[in-house]
Amino acid sequence: ETGVTQSPTHLIKTRGQQVTLRCSSQSGHNTVSWYQQALGQGPQFIFQYYREEENGRGNFPPRFSGLQFPNYSSELNVNALELDDSALYLCASSPKREGNEQFFGPGTRLTVL
Amino acid sequence: RKEVEQDPGPFNVPEGATVAFNCTYSNSASQSFFWYRQDCRKEPKLLMSVYSSGNEDGRFTAQLNRASQYISLLIRDSKLSDSATYLCVVNAAGGFKTIFGAGTRLFVKA
Repeated sequence: ETGVTQSPTHLIKTRGQQVTLRCSSQSGHNTVSWYQQALGQGPQFIFQYYREEENGRGNFPPRFSGLQFPNYSSELNVNALELDDSALYLCASSPKREGNEQFFGPGTRLTVL
Repeated sequence: RKEVEQDPGPFNVPEGATVAFNCTYSNSASQSFFWYRQDCRKEPKLLMSVYSSGNEDGRFTAQLNRASQYISLLIRDSKLSDSATYLCVVNAAGGFKTIFGAGTRLFVKA
């Protein structure tokens, strides 16, 4: 077990709705990254948070947003859900901002109907 | 062109076989390189980091060729438990953006 937890494990939403996914990072880790993994694909980088600030972003629209809290836990918010948002959402924490091993949580499987 | 490209797979090999996975990356300024393993419906887990000098961990050997922008993973004496998807991972220049390949699925059969 990595010590990274995510909630909920599964979620079903309809198009146009909003969703919030949560992640608790491993103790001592100040960096959290979020990924979207579609079936049969590798994880796609959404963004990274370091010490409560967004540290970098992948090619995702602004309706994907996030937060990191003082205890380094994090949220991913997705507004105006689309069918293509159906995927496994993975959170990963690491002890440093750059170039380190990342420890993944079990993911949240989101289905958009 | 994708930023990280891997062999499409799947690879089907018998127990005891040696299997090699290849990966290329497009950003010459990339700094850190990894192989992750992902079991079906599970999260990715680090298999090994990849260093310029090459590195070995038991049955697993990773190589990096910066000039060719190429990474490889060799698995010797394959076990049934090696069946998984192997993900090539590159940290872009600046370090914050981690790019995963699509993965190569390995099936090891008795």
